[in-house]
Amino acid sequence: IAGITQAPTSQILAAGRRMTLRCTQDMRHNAMYWYRQDLGLGLRLIHYSNTAGTTGKGEVPDGYSVSRANTDDFPLTLASAVPSQTSVYFCATGTGLNEQFFGPGTRLTVL
Amino acid sequence: GQQVMQIPQYQHVQEGEDFTTYCNSSTTLSNIQWYKQRPGGHPVFLIQLVKSGEVKKQKRLTFQFGEAKKNSSLHITATQTTDVGTYFCAGISGGSNYKLTFGKGTLLTVNP
Repeated sequence: IAGITQAPTSQILAAGRRMTLRCTQDMRHNAMYWYRQDLGLGLRLIHYSNTAGTTGKGEVPDGYSVSRANTDDFPLTLASAVPSQTSVYFCATGTGLNEQFFGPGTRLTVL
Repeated sequence: GQQVMQIPQYQHVQEGEDFTTYCNSSTTLSNIQWYKQRPGGHPVFLIQLVKSGEVKKQKRLTFQFGEAKKNSSLHITATQTTDVGTYFCAGISGGSNYKLTFGKGTLLTVNP
């Protein structure tokens, strides 16, 4: 693994289905983040984790949940997908006040 | 909550022209960061500014942080086609628990 990986790369999902987006890092960064990017709205924080075992809500957390069982993994779960969750999802890592490193993204379409 | 405004939303220039994007925060920032996202890519960190009035340069790019630590700008001199992409500012304010608030970005296109 080099840096941050996200899976899947893209996914088409029926509304109402459950979906987990995966994010794995090998950079040993304490902090991890999930953003969604929508045209004209920029990057909006969904959930974050400052260290393993802790999570927090971002700007747009409704309909999403996360867990941080260890340093490397930070999965994002959509319990029951809705069309408004169609977006590009980026996972990022960081060490707090300094730069964030972004994964390649997952393009999700909910029909 | 904290808001970060960025203008313009779009900018189209001829190659060789200069380009500037501006960022304003509703609250005083601990630091401000700038990212570039190429079309189809992911955001990539460019620079971080921490001090009031700070100016940093990276080749043709000049970054400024305002005296009040509430605004910032990115200026590109003599744009090239490789500068195409969306430029985002992102700020961290005190008490934000290290969360970045991103501006909506400025999409720069360059006509060769």
